[in-house]
Amino acid sequence: DAKTTQPNSMESNEEEPVHLPCNHSTISGTDYIHWYRQLPSQGPEYVIHGLTSNVNNRMASLAIAEDRKSSTLILHRATLRDAAVYYCILSYNQGGKLIFGQGTELSVKP
Amino acid sequence: DAGVIQSPRHEVTEMGQEVTLRCKPISGHNSLFWYRQTMMRGLELLIYFNNNVPIDDSGMPEDRFSAKMPNASFSTLKIQPSEPRDSAVYFCASSPELAGTSEQYFGPGTRLTVT
Repeated sequence: DAKTTQPNSMESNEEEPVHLPCNHSTISGTDYIHWYRQLPSQGPEYVIHGLTSNVNNRMASLAIAEDRKSSTLILHRATLRDAAVYYCILSYNQGGKLIFGQGTELSVKP
Repeated sequence: DAGVIQSPRHEVTEMGQEVTLRCKPISGHNSLFWYRQTMMRGLELLIYFNNNVPIDDSGMPEDRFSAKMPNASFSTLKIQPSEPRDSAVYFCASSPELAGTSEQYFGPGTRLTVT
């Protein structure tokens, strides 16, 4: 299974943009890049996913490097409710299996 | 719409007892996943099903663990006999299909404590 590397923790100020990086140098051509987040005492929650092109949805944007070896999750205006652990995951080829790493713990300061 | 439903939400049991965790996936979803989360090991995939058939159980830690999906709306994860090291939060998730593009929807989890 292809692996991802994320910083253990990041800090942000409320109402400022947040850029969460992820490295996945061994990604294969058919792997999708998924982002999930886990708020305290809750199950993980889907955020966004993409293959090659940048993606936007109501929660965030996903910027994917041209060589696909890295990606960045962008929260445009962080709120206190965005404090969570953010996981960058490569789907298991085309099988839909997700292998979670340690993620990045994002703290948001008022 | 109801999301993934898990029961019980909390379970406290003594070592050696049988534990059964239950999951009701989102209606219409064809794939179901069981995960376990601990501080030490993070979030681990235990087993997953597609159309009620187990696809990969390589994450199941020991023969003490078993999972079934008798129909599209119900799955169980059983631990027999339970041990203190099984203490964890167990999550069930479902997705519309088994594909790299599919989102997984997680339940609230069952917090298991084995004393």
